[in-house]
Parts: sequence; structure tokens; C-alpha cells
Amino acid sequence: GAVVSQHPSWVICKSGTSVKIECRSLDFQATTMFWYRQFPKQSLMLMATSNEGSKATYEQGVEKDKFLINHASLTLSTLTVTSAHPEDSSFYICSARDGTGGPTNEKLFFGSGTQLSVL
Amino acid sequence: GENVEQHPSTLSVQEGDSAVIKCTYSDSASNYFPWYKQELGKGPQLIIDIRSNVGEKKDQRIAVTLNKTAKHFSLHITETQPEDSAVYFCAASYGNQFYFGTGTSLTVIP
Repeated sequence: GAVVSQHPSWVICKSGTSVKIECRSLDFQATTMFWYRQFPKQSLMLMATSNEGSKATYEQGVEKDKFLINHASLTLSTLTVTSAHPEDSSFYICSARDGTGGPTNEKLFFGSGTQLSVL
Repeated sequence: GENVEQHPSTLSVQEGDSAVIKCTYSDSASNYFPWYKQELGKGPQLIIDIRSNVGEKKDQRIAVTLNKTAKHFSLHITETQPEDSAVYFCAASYGNQFYFGTGTSLTVIP
């Protein structure tokens, strides 16, 4: 159990286009989801925290108009990179916190990541 | 805010030997300490965790110890195997706040 599915696993796009990344909790309800960005050989950099049905809370320095986050249900969150530019190229990872009260309650599970390359 | 330090940044061990990774945290409010394993090009995978009311937890070849007084916790991997090679991250958490260490790149030499 406690599987987080993230799609796509990689995407290549042209500069100026928008890209949407999906994150789904498959077997638990994720009351909170997080989006991270990771540069090569570095730790996870939190971009934003989203609670189901609420607006996302963005970390300092993260442009909310550029990185649109939607958490419309307890099992789905999306990150849309709008008007992507080469400097947005990175590895994006979502995570979901189990709020079901079961054996994996309050634990944080990660998706498999999305490698975005903007040409 | 919370500050998590992780050491060493790189670690090489011979197959069959043990590996130890250490983390310290600063906020005594942190009460949950997970460890993640991240393989190249993949997302982090939860491998073991410990809550602040427990001092030690073991799962087969991996174990985690926690010293609340000193605010440090450690990951121990025994009988290491080549497939243990990966980057390991510790984290300290309170509620929805998760603070990650900078990672340890573990290489197990066959």
C-alpha cells in the first residue's frame, strides 16, 4: 500500500509552453501534498504545500503564477509549469501525506519524479 | 525553524560491511524521523522511520536509533549489498513540516 503515482516520468517541451504534472495517491487519501524540485546531487527543495480544497502555500522565492498547483481531491494534485523556460528544467517530485488513520497514517510517500527538459 | 544536518555526504563500504549515517536536528518539537532511499532518476522511497517516543527500531538489515536529548538519530545498515548503493536522506518532522538532510551517497563495493 501507500503508492504515489506521478506522471509523466519525463517530458521535453519547447520554451514558452506549459507542462502539467499529475500526482495521485492510489490507495490512501492524501490530506496534504507537497511539491519539490531537485537539482542534480542536491537535496529536496520544497516548492509548495497544498491541502485538499485549499490554495497552495508557496515557499519563499517560488513564483505561484508560474508554478500552478491544484489539489482538487484527496487523491490528486497537479503542478503546471506555465510558460516554461530552460531554467525551469529540473527533476520535480511530489509527495503525499497519508491522513487516513491507518497503518501508514501521517507518513510521507513520494512519487517517482518527473524530469522536465525545456528546449 | 528546524535545521537538519546529515553526515557523511559520501560513504563507501565493502560489501558485507556495515554503514552508518548520522543526522542532527535543532527543534525539540520534531517528533517523527523518517529515512528515505533514492536511486538515480527515481523518487525517494521510505525505508524506515521512528517516532520520538521510541529509541530504536529495526527492520531486517536496517535500524534507526534516536537520542532525543542530544537531538540526533542514525541509520544503520548491516551486511551491505551492492543494491544498497543509493542516496539516503534523513528527515525531521512535526505535523505537516518535513525538513530534510542534505543526503548521503552510499556506494557498496562488491
